[in-house]
Amino acid sequence: GAGVSQSPSNKVTEKGKDVELRCDPISGHTALYWYRQSLGQGLEFLIYFQGNSAPDKSGLPSDRFSAERTGGSVSTLTIQRTQQEDSAVYLCASSFRGPIDPAFNQPQHFGDGTRLSIL
Amino acid sequence: QQQVKQSPQSLIVQKGGISIINCAYENTAFDYFPWYQQFPGKGPALLIAIRPDVSEKKEGRFTISFNKSAKQFSLHIMDSQPGDSATYFCAASLDSNYQLIWGAGTKLIIKP
Repeated sequence: GAGVSQSPSNKVTEKGKDVELRCDPISGHTALYWYRQSLGQGLEFLIYFQGNSAPDKSGLPSDRFSAERTGGSVSTLTIQRTQQEDSAVYLCASSFRGPIDPAFNQPQHFGDGTRLSIL
Repeated sequence: QQQVKQSPQSLIVQKGGISIINCAYENTAFDYFPWYQQFPGKGPALLIAIRPDVSEKKEGRFTISFNKSAKQFSLHIMDSQPGDSATYFCAASLDSNYQLIWGAGTKLIIKP
């Protein structure tokens, strides 16, 4: 597609339920990033994928959060046993990163996010 | 060492005026400094970026000024328009590293 696509755009669920958030990156982008943005706040890094591998999961807030990426394309962020503090906008971004030479690195392009509300 | 401090938190400017947002960083190894613009309900979009080999970069009404010795960079929006009303984020990174270090954001309102 032309841009990063995220679905659903909005999700309302009850506390304790599991949710899956999906990200379709720009075709050809090797890197994929997940961020969380609370209301009126900055971006909190969650996880980074290069291809299907996640070399850095350090931003995941707890073991209730997990993510995977398949085929070097679509990524899913899963939150288990959701809590009210998980309410936020979850943003996905993708970019091309040169495997060897950083000179080929390209900027991150963002989707419009999934607004998650936990009741 | 990894922080990027952004100010002000919010800014109101009259139409036609100059909007100025400032950022300061600590890691002297950072070599890529982008600014992102975010409208309500949308994801951030890259506005303009600079590398430390230049002191200024201009694209239309948007200019980044970069002061390497002071470890500061700023965004100037000339002839500010109501359509520029958005939240602006500065960031910094090592080009060899994937991770952007983000400022906290500035909510800009342009009054007609």
